Order: sequence, then C-alpha cells, then structure tokens
Amino acid sequence: AQKITQTQPGMFVQEKEAVTLDCTYDTSDQSYGLFWYKQPSSGEMIFLIYQGSYDEQNATEGRYSLNFQKARKSANLVISASQLGDSAMYFCAMREPRRGYQKVTFGTGTKLQVIP
Amino acid sequence: GAVVSQHPSWVICKSGTSVKIECRSLDFQATTMFWYRQFPKQSLMLMATSNEGSKATYEQGVEKDKFLINHASLTLSTLTVTSAHPEDSSFYICSASGGLAVYEQYFGPGTRLTVT
Repeated sequence: AQKITQTQPGMFVQEKEAVTLDCTYDTSDQSYGLFWYKQPSSGEMIFLIYQGSYDEQNATEGRYSLNFQKARKSANLVISASQLGDSAMYFCAMREPRRGYQKVTFGTGTKLQVIP
Repeated sequence: GAVVSQHPSWVICKSGTSVKIECRSLDFQATTMFWYRQFPKQSLMLMATSNEGSKATYEQGVEKDKFLINHASLTLSTLTVTSAHPEDSSFYICSASGGLAVYEQYFGPGTRLTVT
C-alpha cells in the first residue's frame, strides 16, 4: 500500500488565485510528521511547511498552509495568492519513527503550473 | 535556514569505477543524514538513513555493498557508488536533520551522476 498518495499529477492555477494540492497518508504510528517540499526545475528540494501528528493547529508559513485532517489522514497544501515562481513540482512526505532512525517516504508529486 | 552542500554537483564516470559524493551541513550539526535517489520525473526514493558514528540503515532493495555510506562526523556524510554501471545513473540527493528544529530536513542541491 502507498504510504503517501498524491492523486494530482498536474495542476494549473491562475496567478493570484489559491490552489490546494492533495496528500493522503497511511501509517499506524501515533507519532509522525508531515512535510511539503517544492522542487523547481533546478532540482533542489525546498522545505515549505511541517505538521506534527500531535499539533492541533494547522501549520502556516507565509502563503503556505497545511490543512491537516488527522481522522481522514490527509495533509493538503494550500498556496494562497499564487505567483509565477510557484510553478514547480510539489512533494508531500511523511516521517515515521523506526528503531534507531527516522523513515521518510515521499509521494509521487504534483506538478503545479501557474498561468499569468 | 540551514544550509546543506553536496559535492560534486555533477559527475561523469566510466563503468566499473567508483564515485564518492559528499554531503555537508554547513551551519548546524546533522545528527541524521538521509540519502535519496531520484529518477527523471519521479519521486525521491530513500536509499538509507545514517546517524553520526553508527552504521547506516538501508532501505529494502538497496545494496549495501554497492552504495557505501559513511557518516563520520556531525557535518559530513559520504555516499560511494562502487563499481558503477549505467543503471546507477541518477540524481542523488542528501538531506540532513538535527538543526534548529529536529523535525526539519534540509536538502542538498543534489548530484547528477552519469555512468558511461
């Protein structure tokens, strides 16, 4: 079974509009962390936002917010006021504790294109 | 934010030779480093997790003897691809955690390996 599922291979959004990128996850751990990363065409991975499984409030970082619905096991990324520079691949990831290390699993990604 | 560097950024080698890739955390002590592999237009696949001073934990299907990982200090981890073959050609990315926020991972810019 997929640990992290991103069902949208590609998305388009008009500049200045908001967009939601979907992410669902599967884990039996009580303690875990959820991340979103942006990967431009240059290849670097840029950390956007983090949500801990025990955090009661949704994480926010500037124009990024994470819509965390624990019971549904979803962690959608909301980007407000999209900019042309937001065009990139976006990956959802989950970090789970294992004996002696942390296992990190990435989703397949969503390619976001912002239209002027 | 925390900075992670990788060297080299790209490398071309002949089949049968070995290649070493360095990952350094420049302004924080990385207690854990992760090595990923990414094929074109695909997600990141975790290869191994290493904690400073201990042996790396490899993911299922990753050959330990082929991908040698050393995490000798809190700022340096190395990945050596031994007896490289064309199928090892890929984008290798490291990340590090243990900085300002232990739940965050900071990624290096990646190393593109081409084996001819």
